[in-house]
Amino acid sequence: QKEVEQNSGPLSVPEGAIASLNCTYSDRGSQSFFWYRQYSGKSPELIMFIYSNGDKEDGRFTAQLNKASQYVSLLIRDSQPSDSATYLCAVNIGNTGNQFYFGTGTSLTVIP
Amino acid sequence: KAGVTQTPRYLIKTRGQQVTLSCSPISGHRSVSWYQQTPGQGLQFLFEYFSETQRNKGNFPGRFSGRQFSNSRSEMNVSTLELGDSALYLCASSFGETNEKLFFGSGTQLSVL
Repeated sequence: QKEVEQNSGPLSVPEGAIASLNCTYSDRGSQSFFWYRQYSGKSPELIMFIYSNGDKEDGRFTAQLNKASQYVSLLIRDSQPSDSATYLCAVNIGNTGNQFYFGTGTSLTVIP
Repeated sequence: KAGVTQTPRYLIKTRGQQVTLSCSPISGHRSVSWYQQTPGQGLQFLFEYFSETQRNKGNFPGRFSGRQFSNSRSEMNVSTLELGDSALYLCASSFGETNEKLFFGSGTQLSVL
């Protein structure tokens, strides 16, 4: 079992719809959860982070965390073609340092 | 504020050679970490440096090494290159000590022939 698992997709949604991206992780001790967006040929950029159970909203993005189920998700409301990218889930490794397990990413295409 | 700078952008090497990649973090960031990204494996953690000390190391062979200088700049070295080392190598910097947001550089695309 991989430390972080994501549906690889591809996921296609029409413009204006809600895109739902999911991630599960194996380490119950994980404390920090991040979502990065990576456009083709570019490096990852941070879009959301969450540390506590529940929802965290930032503009059109909502991160949801359920530590009991070891599940974290990202919702993108009112999806735009510019949201078309690969979304990477990252989970911290251990309790010290800045090291993370990354999922292999979910490819999202928003169809105009 | 300048972002994370990685050089060179592209490298082509042959098997058996060695290579050194460079990374300059965002000003004020003391943590630098390195990741290898391949289509099949995604991003895999190589190692992390904080204040010139390697704090964590991923599951990579000893051919992969690195260091950090007093100005927080970091270098990564790969010796005795293998075909399987072909990948995008990403450097990321962070401000704080633990579980901080990563800011990635543009990466170095290494091709081993």
